[in-house]
Amino acid sequence: QKEVEQDPGPLSVPEGAIVSLNCTYSNSAFQYFMWYRQYSRKGPELLMYTYSSGNKEDGRFTAQVDKSSKYISLFIRDSQPSDSATYLCATHRGGADGLTFGKGTHLIIQP
Amino acid sequence: NAGVTQTPKFRILKIGQSMTLQCTQDMNHNYMYWYRQDPGMGLKLIYYSVGAGITDKGEVPNGYNVSRSTTEDFPLRLELAAPSQTSVYFCASSDIGGRAQETQYFGPGTRLLVL
Repeated sequence: QKEVEQDPGPLSVPEGAIVSLNCTYSNSAFQYFMWYRQYSRKGPELLMYTYSSGNKEDGRFTAQVDKSSKYISLFIRDSQPSDSATYLCATHRGGADGLTFGKGTHLIIQP
Repeated sequence: NAGVTQTPKFRILKIGQSMTLQCTQDMNHNYMYWYRQDPGMGLKLIYYSVGAGITDKGEVPNGYNVSRSTTEDFPLRLELAAPSQTSVYFCASSDIGGRAQETQYFGPGTRLLVL
């Protein structure tokens, strides 16, 4: 079982729709949860960061973590064509360890 | 502030050749990382460093070597390139403590093709 599972998609939705992206993880030691956005041929850029369980909102983006079910979500409201990208969930135990990434979900917002 | 820079952007290697991927950060971060990303896959950690002179293996270190002589630079060395090392390589850095430690900043990547 991979440590972080993420459906690679592609996920195609019309402009203005609410997008739901999800990941599951298996290691209870993970304490920090992130969502990165990656445009084609670019490096990942941090979108959202959450410590432990709970919700975090930033503009049109909301990140949710449920540690009891080991479930990570990212919601995008009023989706825009510029949101079309690959979204990578990542987790971290803390300290100097590197991030553990899901495969990424390719999101397409249709104008 | 350039952030994390990587050179070259793209390189074609023949099997058995060697090369060094360069990574430099100007944020005075202590932690630096090398990841590889294969098509349709997430990033996998190759090596990381918590400071000058200190490096450690990640999930997929075989076929690679690193060194960290300064805070700014963290080069990745490929010896005896193999087709399995065809990938996109990303360098990242982060600061020490709290949220800063978990916020890794990524470079633009180096695309490597081994034929």
